[in-house]
Amino acid sequence: ILNVEQSPQSLHVQEGDSTNFTCSFPSSNFYALHWYRWETAKSPEALFVMTLNGDEKKKGRISATLNTKEGYSYLYIKGSQPEDSATYLCATRSNAGGTSYGKLTFGQGTILTVHP
Amino acid sequence: DTGVSQDPRHKITKRGQNVTFRCDPISEHNRLYWYRQTLGQGPEFLTYFQNEAQLEKSRLLSDRFSAERPKGSFSTLEIQRTEQGDSAMYLCASSSKELAGGRWSSYNEQFFGPGTRLTVL
Repeated sequence: ILNVEQSPQSLHVQEGDSTNFTCSFPSSNFYALHWYRWETAKSPEALFVMTLNGDEKKKGRISATLNTKEGYSYLYIKGSQPEDSATYLCATRSNAGGTSYGKLTFGQGTILTVHP
Repeated sequence: DTGVSQDPRHKITKRGQNVTFRCDPISEHNRLYWYRQTLGQGPEFLTYFQNEAQLEKSRLLSDRFSAERPKGSFSTLEIQRTEQGDSAMYLCASSSKELAGGRWSSYNEQFFGPGTRLTVL
């Protein structure tokens, strides 16, 4: 994996369904992984920052896991609601030469649509 | 509202014109970032400031692009002689180093503004 890749590109689910997305990233020089939710016409909203292998974070119905050795993170949404409809972005920060650089490298995003 | 703000939200311009965007970060944040998102892609890093110093620039930032943060507060991004390929969403984000466990942490989250949508005709 050379870049940050997200799958699927888009997803349509029914209200109440649980769903999950994948973010794959280069495991070398990994420093941190960020998940954002971006609703149309709004600012991207930070969901999670994860740094350690095996990290699990939860915020309401949304949770995320991190595997830095194999280079992937999963985002789960339990009992999807129409207000969960958004683009979900993951981004990594690398640690080259022992220094964490400020820039985020983003995946292309997963567009989630939850139908009532 | 104490979040990151950007102005304007939308800009339509003709090819060859110059445009300038402004970003006001969260007031106590010393780090400021610019990203660009084109259709179907995730945001791509353009440049990064710590206080007033521009510490990193992407190769995406051609000579026609210039960014400033003169007093370490707001920032401007100027595009000269715009081209149709410059059409994109321009996002600004800010962050601050935080003290965690007795050490400064640099993996803190970045807070984004709503973006400026540029259309070059």
